[in-house]
Amino acid sequence: RKEVEQDPGPFNVPEGATVAFNCTYSNSASQSFFWYRQDCRKEPKLLMSVYSSGNEDGRFTAQLNRASQYISLLIRDSKLSDSATYLCVVNSDRGSTLGRLYFGRGTQLTVWP
Amino acid sequence: GAGVSQSPSNKVTEKGKDVELRCDPISGHTALYWYRQSLGQGLEFLIYFQGNSAPDKSGLPSDRFSAERTGGSVSTLTIQRTQQEDSAVYLCASSLGLAGGYSTDTQYFGPGTRLTVL
Repeated sequence: RKEVEQDPGPFNVPEGATVAFNCTYSNSASQSFFWYRQDCRKEPKLLMSVYSSGNEDGRFTAQLNRASQYISLLIRDSKLSDSATYLCVVNSDRGSTLGRLYFGRGTQLTVWP
Repeated sequence: GAGVSQSPSNKVTEKGKDVELRCDPISGHTALYWYRQSLGQGLEFLIYFQGNSAPDKSGLPSDRFSAERTGGSVSTLTIQRTQQEDSAVYLCASSLGLAGGYSTDTQYFGPGTRLTVL
């Protein structure tokens, strides 16, 4: 079983739509959780960390459910510039926030005008 | 400030040849990571350096792969006797690691080296 599973999409939505991505992780000892964004043929860039209480950054809201080992990302009022691949990322080093990251395969989003 | 840099940006080589890929991390970052991303696949962890500690090599796919980090800064990933399945984008990332004092440690990625083995 893969460490991090994501629906690959693609998701094709109109501007202004709300879209949600989900992912699950297999290691219950996982400590840190992130969403990265990767544009075509570019490197991944951190979009936001995911905290247990849930967190929001502008139009983006991330949620973590430790009991279900489930992470979500909600994008409100989608913009054309949101088109990218969204990577669910988990750090599974017990007792540490450092070290290797496990990446999902990514969910592709296309926002159309 | 300057981000993570990698060279070359593209490398085409023939099967069986050796290649060296270079990574310059962000100044002051003590942790350095190598990942690779094959077409249509997620990022795959290869190796992790933290300061002067022994590296975590658990992700290296075979003994043809090796990496070193000189002086706690620049790192070189070497692939010997390249095979076609080694074709991928090789990404380097760095983070503050133990030099930081934060509860989470953000990894910053370089632009990658696209390796094509013919």
